[in-house]
Amino acid sequence: EAQVTQNPRYLITVTGKKLTVTCSQNMNHEYMSWYRQDPGLGLRQIYYSMNVEVTDKGDVPEGYKVSRKEKRNFPLILESPSPNQTSLYFCASSLGGAYNEQFFGPGTRLTVL
Amino acid sequence: AQSVTQLGSHVSVSEGALVLLRCNYSSSVPPYLFWYVQYPNQGLQLLLKYTSAATLVKGINGFEAEFKKSETSFHLTKPSAHMSDAAEYFCAVSAPVRGYNKLIFGAGTRLAVHP
Repeated sequence: EAQVTQNPRYLITVTGKKLTVTCSQNMNHEYMSWYRQDPGLGLRQIYYSMNVEVTDKGDVPEGYKVSRKEKRNFPLILESPSPNQTSLYFCASSLGGAYNEQFFGPGTRLTVL
Repeated sequence: AQSVTQLGSHVSVSEGALVLLRCNYSSSVPPYLFWYVQYPNQGLQLLLKYTSAATLVKGINGFEAEFKKSETSFHLTKPSAHMSDAAEYFCAVSAPVRGYNKLIFGAGTRLAVHP
């Protein structure tokens, strides 16, 4: 089954404790993205990747890091989480063309205390 | 620059009534437009997309949307609401940025369906 998986689905942590949210897709997509969803703001892009070892900042990259060492994986790293990073996070992948849909993972709900 | 505005953060309809969710876009290039649906505790799922082939686009679960260039709109409709349509709906426009086509989302509209 074609899918995007994320782990963990739920995470409660404390300020400053480094964490990684994993994302994996099995569709051989070149493009992958991370979004955060906050009430009233829709989805905002954090980082994206156009291919292995090619990443770039989205609209809200501060406080986040990413890496793309393999085509299928695109982990999101919060090296020193803060309460304002409490949010719902989505990973997505696509073929990359303007008309190609993005396929979304199930989401990771992160709470930073 | 591309942007999307969804009018109404919450819409409530009766079961069997018409669903109308509004989306207006701004785009400096011919737009590619999308509607996604998010059911509770799930990721986003594509409902339909406009890619210039036809102005009336049919999607899954009986939804459709009409592209109106003169009004810069892409409103989502369904003739008869079902309880299972209760979800959050996002309109999005594809925007070319540094060789990549990113999606710019509206703020979302939460649809409630009551008996």
